Amino acid sequence: GENVEQHPSTLSVQEGDSAVIKCTYSDSASNYFPWYKQELGKRPQLIIDIRSNVGEKKDQRIAVTLNKTAKHFSLHITETQPEDSAVYFCADNAGNMLTFGGGTRLMVKP
Amino acid sequence: KAGVTQTPRYLIKTRGQQVTLSCSPISGHRSVSWYQQTPGQGLQFLFEYFSETQRNKGNFPGRFSGRQFSNSRSEMNVSTLELGDSALYLCASSSTGLGNQPQHFGDGTRLSIL
Repeated sequence: GENVEQHPSTLSVQEGDSAVIKCTYSDSASNYFPWYKQELGKRPQLIIDIRSNVGEKKDQRIAVTLNKTAKHFSLHITETQPEDSAVYFCADNAGNMLTFGGGTRLMVKP
Repeated sequence: KAGVTQTPRYLIKTRGQQVTLSCSPISGHRSVSWYQQTPGQGLQFLFEYFSETQRNKGNFPGRFSGRQFSNSRSEMNVSTLELGDSALYLCASSSTGLGNQPQHFGDGTRLSIL
């Protein structure tokens, strides 16, 4: 079955620094790659997504890049703030269902 | 527009019992997917329903089942509960369930098995 690897599992940055989370996938048929943010005790919240016909997408301080040849995609958060602290999940849609990475716990230190 | 609503929020059961969880999707959404979230296994896909039909199924035993009603509301049932079934059960809805459409999650039902 499909496998999505996510790194790092934990990431600690200073407020104002950038954070980068990377994911790789195995199914070349995947064509949709969402990112979710989950704060403690809350639902996963869709923060950005990218489709396979696009290489990069930005929304204010967050951006996602996709390299279909290498089968990897990344989340970039600039000017991090304490409220960015959460667990972030990448996913892809192989087999018309979402397969999630293992998650990255991001801690932004004030 | 109201979001995805799951009931109940918390549930405590004992081994061997069965449980039914409910999910009401965002108005107009016809696809409902169910996921199990645990610290050890992360987020794992259970199944997806569209127009009252199960279209996809994850790698879970037959004790896990579901259904969808004509108003798109969905229920998930787990029979003969085991300790390992303790988890947060999340449902997500999307408009068509096509693989490239956003899925929006509910707050989940936290199931504890004693």
